[in-house]
Parts: sequence; C-alpha cells; structure tokens
Amino acid sequence: GQNIDQPTEMTATEGAIVQINCTYQTSGFNGLFWYQQHAGEAPTFLSYNVLDGLEEKGRFSSFLSRSKGYSYLLLKELQMKDSASYLCAVRPQGGKLIFGQGTELSVKP
Amino acid sequence: SAVISQKPSRDICQRGTSLTIQCQVDSQVTMMFWYRQQPGQSLTLIATANQGSEATYESGFVIDKFPISRPNLTFSTLTVSNMSPEDSSIYLCSVASQGSEAFFGQGTRLTVV
Repeated sequence: GQNIDQPTEMTATEGAIVQINCTYQTSGFNGLFWYQQHAGEAPTFLSYNVLDGLEEKGRFSSFLSRSKGYSYLLLKELQMKDSASYLCAVRPQGGKLIFGQGTELSVKP
Repeated sequence: SAVISQKPSRDICQRGTSLTIQCQVDSQVTMMFWYRQQPGQSLTLIATANQGSEATYESGFVIDKFPISRPNLTFSTLTVSNMSPEDSSIYLCSVASQGSEAFFGQGTRLTVV
C-alpha cells in the first residue's frame, strides 16, 4: 500500500526556522515533491528530490533519504505570508502523485 | 512550465445533475491527471487521463461516476455525474512530463445542494 505521513499542524514565529517532516512507504519511488497551498488556491510547486541529499532554493530547502523513507522541508526567515498548508507528495511510478494529508503552518508575529 | 486553464472556477449544482469540468493546457503534455480535494483534506487522485483511450481510475473511483475524456495532448474533461452533497469538493487538473514536477490548474470549487 501507499502511506505518507506528515504532522497535521505546526506553529512558528516570524523570522524563525521551521522543519516539516514527511515519512513515506510506497510501492515504488520516482521522486518526492513539496507543494505550498494557500486557502482557496491551487497547490504551487516548491521542490523536487529524487536523489538523497539537500536541495536549496532561496529560503526553502528540502532533504531526502530514500533508505529511510524520509524527507523534510526547511523554511528559513519565516514570513507571515508563509502561513499555508504544505503538502508532501511521492511519485511511485509514472507521473501520478500520492499526497500526504498536509501540514497547516501558522506563522505568528 | 505549463499554463493550465480550468473552467468553470466554481459552480453550485443541484443534486442529481452532472457537471463537466474542462482543462486546457498551453502545450502538449504526456500526462494529465484529475484530483479531488475534499474540504479540509489533502489531494486524492481520481484518475489518469489517457490520450485516445479510456482513463485509468484509482481505487474507489469508477468511470460511471467520473467519466473522463482526453481527445488530444492539450485538453481533457472530467464529468461529475449524478451529483450528491458528498461530491462537494475542489477538483484539480494536473499535468506532468516524465521527470518533472506536476503543475496544477486553479481548480473547480463545486458545491452540490
């Protein structure tokens, strides 16, 4: 079966750093994705990992360990606009994605 | 990146009726998908839209309820048939090419009354 777990919600302070974890068990693996979704909007792409290690893109970084079935999204210098839902998704094969339940991040002043 | 136009953006429908959602992409893409996002939930894949052949449905979704067309590499439709209030969701079209990220349309917010 396919299983992707991430925390339901997190709270952090403006200017701080937050790490959102994601663990997965899937029948195959062809990449892990992180998406950001603001309320009422479609998901927007943040990052893509297919090899082990850290991918950095501005204030956002994503890490992958395939042997551990584990990824995290790191957000630095948090801003109020970063309050959103963060979705971890795995591509088992082909092009379809299996999504975790999403982590609702609240950034407080 | 692909630009995806999805319409309608929202609709309120009577139970028992059907709604067809359109997804138009500005370039040819190999893969197109339809997802559902129920209130407060994450995204669930409904089916893969295959060009020129029947769609591939995920467990829990059937063609009679969610017929899908994909006549060419840039266009697909999803119909939500015989709607009930439980079908109230956001429906999202997504496209991908092998090895790249998936892009999403803006979604169709459906309310069934």
